[in-house]
Amino acid sequence: DAGVIQSPRHEVTEMGQEVTLRCKPISGHDYLFWYRQTMMRGLELLIYFNNNVPIDDSGMPEDRFSAKMPNASFSTLKIQPSEPRDSAVYFCASSPPTGANTEAFFGQGTRLTVV
Amino acid sequence: GQQVMQIPQYQHVQEGEDFTTYCNSSTTLSNIQWYKQRPGGHPVFLIQLVKSGEVKKQKRLTFQFGEAKKNSSLHITATQTTDVGTYFCAGPGYSGAGSYQLTFGKGTKLSVIP
Repeated sequence: DAGVIQSPRHEVTEMGQEVTLRCKPISGHDYLFWYRQTMMRGLELLIYFNNNVPIDDSGMPEDRFSAKMPNASFSTLKIQPSEPRDSAVYFCASSPPTGANTEAFFGQGTRLTVV
Repeated sequence: GQQVMQIPQYQHVQEGEDFTTYCNSSTTLSNIQWYKQRPGGHPVFLIQLVKSGEVKKQKRLTFQFGEAKKNSSLHITATQTTDVGTYFCAGPGYSGAGSYQLTFGKGTKLSVIP
């Protein structure tokens, strides 16, 4: 397996534009997590899915953020409209069905810059 | 909610010196995981500790899980430049309706001076 695949790797966009980040989890993993990493706040969990169903989105900062998982092999994180303070590295991670008792596999991340 | 705290935030050591990072949870953990993130990279799983008082070793790295399962440490003996990166601990937390999430500490950024 190629691991968790995220796209794009880098995204530069202007304030107010819509941004969509994509993630393909490892096949067979039924937990999917979206994290945001900044120097100030570290790794923050935004939302996670179990079997394609959003379980906890309490980490989503605002209504401008939304996430979907239409099937077991694809998830998106959308920011609309984007703001400069959204600049961060966004990681997607997946875990096998044992969930809490096993490791999370991270993608390479998407570095988002909003100017 | 669950909090996982890590200290120190930064550590600069001379190559060959030892390094230790500490992790404390506000709640008892079923297990604790450690990850390493190289500069510009993504977090990579190192190890998981499950049992109270457990100690595991990976070459020069020694991981400990506290007796109360609320704290943990990572010790690196004789650091090398390849050890550079940020080390995170992470603990699973459960909220209502079986909701599970992995909470990460803020990490300890290790710099090794050659």
